[in-house]
Amino acid sequence: DTEVTQTPKHLVMGMTNKKSLKCEQHMGHRAMYWYKQKAKKPPELMFVYSYEKLSINESVPSRFSPECPNSSLLNLHLHALQPEDSALYLCASSRGGGRRTDTQYFGPGTRLTVL
Amino acid sequence: GDSVTQMEGPVTLSEEAFLTINCTYTATGYPSLFWYVQYPGEGLQLLLKATKADDKGSNKGFEATYRKETTSFHLEKGSVQVSDSAVYFCALNSQGAQKLVFGQGTRLTINP
Repeated sequence: DTEVTQTPKHLVMGMTNKKSLKCEQHMGHRAMYWYKQKAKKPPELMFVYSYEKLSINESVPSRFSPECPNSSLLNLHLHALQPEDSALYLCASSRGGGRRTDTQYFGPGTRLTVL
Repeated sequence: GDSVTQMEGPVTLSEEAFLTINCTYTATGYPSLFWYVQYPGEGLQLLLKATKADDKGSNKGFEATYRKETTSFHLEKGSVQVSDSAVYFCALNSQGAQKLVFGQGTRLTINP
């Protein structure tokens, strides 16, 4: 099974709201990722957690706050977003370890609209 | 730095046509190479991968061969179907990088 689940599937929020995106995997993977994807573009990496510690932050604005409560769960907390943050947010997981053969498996994404 | 270049899209073909989507890469060392597919309104699905030179990845009738001498990983399918309409991303992963490097994606439309 190579399933990564994400909730919610769609989210509409105002610029003053606080919301969270959730991601879960049960493959025993120890690396988890958040990506942002705008229309007609490839995914852009935001954050990487490796063994439940933040290992990469691609200079993401502080209005995005990641959290990894345990090895199966990954959250992305959203606060005071801007309309330009509207995008598809993808979660991925992999075995981890930084090997070149490490393969990332993606979830279905959360379609976020900021009004 | 590492990079991936894919052929410009969109690509439009008729059903049962032969498909080639070109992908070339620049990387230090020996990366692993991947093709992901994204159907409308969905996330990315791993289509196939190859981890060393001359490896051939294959899945659902799609194939790609890791060519180190030409730094290429072209995606091919002998007879496409309408259900193959999607965006295809070529990507690489280098040792220690912890991040995929994606091409720009190629939008494929198959007409009946």
